[in-house]
Order: sequence, then C-alpha cells, then structure tokens
Amino acid sequence: NAGVTQTPKFQVLKTGQSMTLQCAQDMNHEYMSWYRQDPGMGLRLIHYSVGAGITDQGEVPNGYNVSRSTTEDFPLRLLSAAPSQTSVYFCASSYPGLAEFFGPGTRLTVL
Amino acid sequence: GENVEQHPSTLSVQEGDSAVIKCTYSDSASNYFPWYKQELGKRPQLIIDIRSNVGEKKDQRIAVTLNKTAKHFSLHITETQPEDSAVYFCAASSGNDMRFGAGTRLTVKP
Repeated sequence: NAGVTQTPKFQVLKTGQSMTLQCAQDMNHEYMSWYRQDPGMGLRLIHYSVGAGITDQGEVPNGYNVSRSTTEDFPLRLLSAAPSQTSVYFCASSYPGLAEFFGPGTRLTVL
Repeated sequence: GENVEQHPSTLSVQEGDSAVIKCTYSDSASNYFPWYKQELGKRPQLIIDIRSNVGEKKDQRIAVTLNKTAKHFSLHITETQPEDSAVYFCAASSGNDMRFGAGTRLTVKP
C-alpha cells in the first residue's frame, strides 16, 4: 500500500513550457485534490475531484487543468508555465468529508 | 467560499509548557475541522480532527476545542517536547472543499 504518490519530486521549467504533475493513490479514495504551498500562505486548493469523470475548481485554479479518468489517478497540467507558479505542489486523497492523505510533494521552479 | 484565519503565525515555548493555536472560519456550513503537522521538507500529516457535533476531543497531549457559535476552534498541546516543533495548519470543510489556515510555526526550546 503506497498511499499517495507524486512524480516528479523536483522540476525546473522555463516560462511558457507545459508539463504534467502526476498523482496516484491506491486507497480507493473517491476524493482527490491538488494544493500549492507558498511561504506564509498555507495550502491553497487548486482543483479537486469527487470521483472519476468529475472535477471542480478550488481557490486558485487559473493556469491549471485537471482530469480524472480513473479513481486512482489525478494529473495536474500546467499549460504555459509562469514564474508565479513556482511553488510546492501537493496532491491529496480522502473519503469525502474526511481528512486528506497527502503525497510527498513536487517542488516546481519556473524560470 | 470558506475563509480560515489562524493565529499566531509563530509561537515559541519552553519545553514542558503548553501551546495554543487558534483558528476562525467564516462558513457556518463547515462541519469538519482537521489539524495537520508539517515538519520541514515533509508532507502535512493529520494529528487530530473534530466534527461539528462535538465540542472537544483529546488524544494524549493534544486536544482540540470547537465553538460553533463563535466559529472558532483551537489546538492545545500540553507538556510540549522539542519534537513538537513544526508548522501546524488548521482546516475547515463542509464536504468537498477543504480550506486551510496560513499555518503556525511552533518552536519548542529545550
């Protein structure tokens, strides 16, 4: 039981490049989410999903896309990276309405 | 949407003393309030949670209280130890949308 896994652990992009952050969970959780963590600002919700085929926007969705084709996977796509997207990204999963289990995080730098 | 405010942003205590972190929330529909601990370079991990139908919950040295009328909840750590040093986050959720406070950096001095 690996829990929540994320790849890559570190990534450096140039402005305008695109990439996908991968997230997978093996706990059969319906709910999955993506957060970004910036110094002094806590964890801010980007997008979330309550089940396969269903996604919704969180607090800071601009510049990010998500899809949920399976229960296990919830990738986050940056279409055209900007320096403001430099952050640590955490994926999380849970049963609805309960505490979330976080992945190890991806540290992204956009130059 | 929900807005969660957390205070203080930093807290320094002597080993053995108690530490209290306070949070307020804005959405009266919020019914679930977890607390997370994040050590440097690590992922946030749940340490305790409380639902809106409960006023207080305790787990060894950690306790959480909830005042629904005032829309605030607090984390209490007693007999603090150096390994309690970390950033603590409160959060509030009404079901599908978890919102976090900005965090409190707790330092326990030996």
